[in-house]
Amino acid sequence: AQSVAQPEDQVNVAEGNPLTVKCTYSVSGNPYLFWYVQYPNRGLQFLLKYITGDNLVKGSYGFEAEFNKSQTSFHLKKPSALVSDSALYFCAVRDRGGSTLGRLYFGRGTQLTVWP
Amino acid sequence: NAGVTQTPKFQVLKTGQSMTLQCAQDMNHEYMSWYRQDPGMGLRLIHYSVGAGITDQGEVPNGYNVSRSTTEDFPLRLLSAAPSQTSVYFCASSQGFTASSGNTIYFGEGSWLTVV
Repeated sequence: AQSVAQPEDQVNVAEGNPLTVKCTYSVSGNPYLFWYVQYPNRGLQFLLKYITGDNLVKGSYGFEAEFNKSQTSFHLKKPSALVSDSALYFCAVRDRGGSTLGRLYFGRGTQLTVWP
Repeated sequence: NAGVTQTPKFQVLKTGQSMTLQCAQDMNHEYMSWYRQDPGMGLRLIHYSVGAGITDQGEVPNGYNVSRSTTEDFPLRLLSAAPSQTSVYFCASSQGFTASSGNTIYFGEGSWLTVV
């Protein structure tokens, strides 16, 4: 079965500092990996995804993520955090085969707080 | 673009009542799904559909029904509401999914449901 782990419930960082939100996955075969962001009382917004190709994926709002197959990780990064980046971040993997084709499996989410 | 539209945004139900959460998308997406979000548990798949007339169960289908009579609409019915169904519900859609495509899933703004 596919699964996603976000080992940190909370990440705190000062504005202007780099940020990393961690994600590891367990899938059979090559993964489709996604990052979503959720602001309070809102839906999930798509940030970026890895399908194939370059291991460094660039997305919205200056975020990027690095796919590391040997470590089965897909960490979200940003070189310089903004207070407005404070939100709940979800890593997800989409199933590529079998009876659960197309399903999206989520991690539990990481609350990012950026201090001014 | 309207994207994925959910109604109602907020609802309070009494135990045993039934109701329908509406979901519509205007992107001609084949794949639609319903998730529930509970604190500390990420999002869990309730039901999904890969096209009009086709539905299937997700991880937590009990107590919910769906139908897909048109490409655009995918309503979620609570048959007899229970306090355990107090949650935030998200409808989502994407283009048709195959093993070689990595189509992004897009989410609605959510429906906050309280069962008392």
